[in-house]
Amino acid sequence: QKEVEQNSGPLSVPEGAIASLNCTYSDRVSQSFFWYRQYSGKSPELIMSIYSNGDKEDGRFTAQLNKASQYVSLLIRDSQPSDSATYLCAALNNAGNMLTFGGGTRLMVKP
Amino acid sequence: GAVVSQHPSWVICKSGTSVKIECRSLDFQATTMFWYRQFPKQSLMLMATSNEGSKATYEQGVEKDKFLINHASLTLSTLTVTSAHPEDSSFYICSAGTPGLAGGEGFGPGTRLLVL
Repeated sequence: QKEVEQNSGPLSVPEGAIASLNCTYSDRVSQSFFWYRQYSGKSPELIMSIYSNGDKEDGRFTAQLNKASQYVSLLIRDSQPSDSATYLCAALNNAGNMLTFGGGTRLMVKP
Repeated sequence: GAVVSQHPSWVICKSGTSVKIECRSLDFQATTMFWYRQFPKQSLMLMATSNEGSKATYEQGVEKDKFLINHASLTLSTLTVTSAHPEDSSFYICSAGTPGLAGGEGFGPGTRLLVL
């Protein structure tokens, strides 16, 4: 069983809509979670980090964490074609020295 | 996050060639760097943790004699793919910085390796 799981997609949404990306993790002791965006042929770039249960908002992005359900999500409001990319969810191990990545969800925002 | 560079960005080589990839932390003294591999349409897989002044820690299934890592200074780690074969063709990405700390982990731009 993979430690961090994501639906590979593609997830297709129209421009201006809300894109909802989901991630589950198996290691209950994980405390820190990250969302990365990766354009094709490029390395990942950090979008959001979340450590506490609840929502964390940053501009058009909202990360949600539910530790009881071992579930992390990323909402992108007012999706733009430039948001089209693969979104990677990552969990930090308990020692705080290693990230485990999910398989990534490919998002396509159609004009 | 930490600012990280990689060189070269692209390598095409014949099977059997050894290829060295450099990873530099430009604004951060990195006692630890990470090497990832990403095959097409797949996620990043951690290959090894590079430790300055000591041996690298390899993930399960990664051959340490195949992928030689040297972390001789706080700003430079190198990954050498020895006797590369077509199945080693991949996107290799390094990172520096400690995940989770303010500023977080910075990824290099990646090195795309194609072995013919």
